This record gives sequence, structure tokens and C-alpha cells, in this order.
Amino acid sequence: KQEVTQIPAALSVPEGENLVLNCSFTDSAIYNLQWFRQDPGKGLTSLLLIQSSQREQTSGRLNASLDKSSGRSTLYIAASQPGDSATYLCAVSWITGANSKLTFGKGITLSVRP
Amino acid sequence: NAGVTQTPKFRILKIGQSMTLQCTQDMNHNYMYWYRQDPGMGLKLIYYSVGAGITDKGEVPNGYNVSRSTTEDFPLRLELAAPSQTSVYFCASSYLQREAYNEQFFGPGTRLTVL
Repeated sequence: KQEVTQIPAALSVPEGENLVLNCSFTDSAIYNLQWFRQDPGKGLTSLLLIQSSQREQTSGRLNASLDKSSGRSTLYIAASQPGDSATYLCAVSWITGANSKLTFGKGITLSVRP
Repeated sequence: NAGVTQTPKFRILKIGQSMTLQCTQDMNHNYMYWYRQDPGMGLKLIYYSVGAGITDKGEVPNGYNVSRSTTEDFPLRLELAAPSQTSVYFCASSYLQREAYNEQFFGPGTRLTVL
């Protein structure tokens, strides 16, 4: 079964720390992987999309990497700020799926302490 | 562009009632999706559409129906509401050129409670 796992479910760090959020997936035959941010009571905001042929993508203080062979992606957040506090979800689109359906992990709830 | 909009934001239903969740996108996206999110869980796909007049089931379609008569609109219908349908519902859209580039954009969600 194609699954996406995000561990731990919650993370608390002090402001200014560099941190890594992990995502693992069970099948390496992917089209792409997306990282989303979700604020409490809000919708999902797309942060980064990594295509199957790419190793990483960067946007500001965010860097996402992809290692298909090991079934892993990481989201690196540099110099974390209290405003980064949110839930971060990883989602995968698989080649053996159909029509770009995304399978989501359960998310990591990040709290950045001032 | 407003992006993906959803109405209503909140709704309380009684068991057995019906309702339609509205979703509209103004980005001329061909693909649209409905997900539900339960507390502490990731999102699960209910239905999706690859274009006007074409819909297909996702992972958890039971108890729901959809239609896609225009590119912009993708309503989700609950015919006989049950407590198990208490959830937050998200609509999303994307423009598929190649699968690898298919980035999905989400609406703000509808929070539904069935009592």
C-alpha cells in the first residue's frame, strides 16, 4: 500500500534554531512531492513542489530535498521564527496512481518558542 | 484572482439532512478535488474531476456525490448526513500540463458538524 509517514507528530523548538521535518513514503515511483503549511482553522498553502527528476527546491528560508531511492524527503527551515508555527504536511503523487491524486501524511505540528 | 473559494465556512446539520458544499476556482484549472480532514489525520480524497463533465471516486466516496458542469465549479453533495461525516472539507484545483508539475491549490475549507 502506498503510504506517507511523518514523524514526530509534534515538535517544539526555540526561536532561531535550524530544523528539519521528515517525510517518508513507501513507493519510489513518484511524479512529485509537495510540502504544505496549514495554520489552525485555515486551508493549506503550498510551500514547495519537488518533481521526481529534482533533488531539492528552495524558497526563502525553506529548502526541501528528495531522495527517491530511500523514500524520504526533508523540509529544512533556517533560523526558525514564531511565525513558522503551524502544521506542515507532506503529500505524494504516485506514477501508479491516477490523475495526480495526492496521498497525504498526517502532518507535523511545529511550535517555535520566542 | 480569488483562487479557490468555498461556501459555507461553517455548517451544522441534523442526521438525515442534505446539503451542498460549494467550490469555485477562477484560475481556469482543469483538475478539481474534494478532500476531508479529520482531527489528527491527513487529508483523504473524496472525489476528483479532470474536466467539465468528468468525475471519479477517490479514497472515501461513500455518502457523497459530485458534479462538474463547468470548469469553475465543483459542488459536493451530502444526501443523508451522518455523524461520521463531521469533518473539515477542502476543495483544491490544479492545472495539469505534466504530472510532475501538477501543483494543487486549496480553498479555506468548510467545517461541517452533523448532530
